[in-house]
Amino acid sequence: NAGVTQTPKFQVLKTGQSMTLQCAQDMNHEYMSWYRQDPGMGLRLIHYSVGAGITDQGEVPNGYNVSRSTTEDFPLRLLSAAPSQTSVYFCASSFGGLGTEAFFGQGTRLTVV
Amino acid sequence: EDKVVQSPLSLVVHEGDTVTLNCSYEVTNFRSLLWYKQEKKAPTFLFMLTSSGIEKKSGRLSSILDKKELSSILNITATQTGDSAIYLCAMDSNYQLIWGAGTKLIIKP
Repeated sequence: NAGVTQTPKFQVLKTGQSMTLQCAQDMNHEYMSWYRQDPGMGLRLIHYSVGAGITDQGEVPNGYNVSRSTTEDFPLRLLSAAPSQTSVYFCASSFGGLGTEAFFGQGTRLTVV
Repeated sequence: EDKVVQSPLSLVVHEGDTVTLNCSYEVTNFRSLLWYKQEKKAPTFLFMLTSSGIEKKSGRLSSILDKKELSSILNITATQTGDSAIYLCAMDSNYQLIWGAGTKLIIKP
């Protein structure tokens, strides 16, 4: 049972570089989200999707793009990495809506130097 | 502005103790409150409380929602070292989750 799979687990970027964090789920969930988690703070919503072809901004969307071409995949793109984007990133999916039980990937620890 | 505040931020107890973790919220449109456990990696779901289901229990863990006081508690009885984790509270407001900063719980043998 794969659930939600995130890659990579760790990444170091130089300021200004771009990259894509991959997220895939095999539970046929319509709802998917990207969060970042910083020390001493709760999870903050970056972008979310309520179905293939539909995405929207969350609380902290600046510097990130998403797309949802299939139900299974929801990649997060960092356009031009900044040290402020150093964080742990989680992808999540849920069946009944964004505010219901969510299943999380194992996280990506990103460091921007 | 919607927000979720958890207390205490950290807690150290001995195995066998009972602990109570708190979550208070301010919200414009409350729909539900969720509790998660986060060990080294991904948060895992514990409970969801709504207006129609204000108390949940699973083994040694239980949670109660107090809509009048705008708060929830998570109780863990007979704690074990495996309960050591960060416990996160999140509130569904307008179909998005607002998260607290978490309570770091350490259980000493």
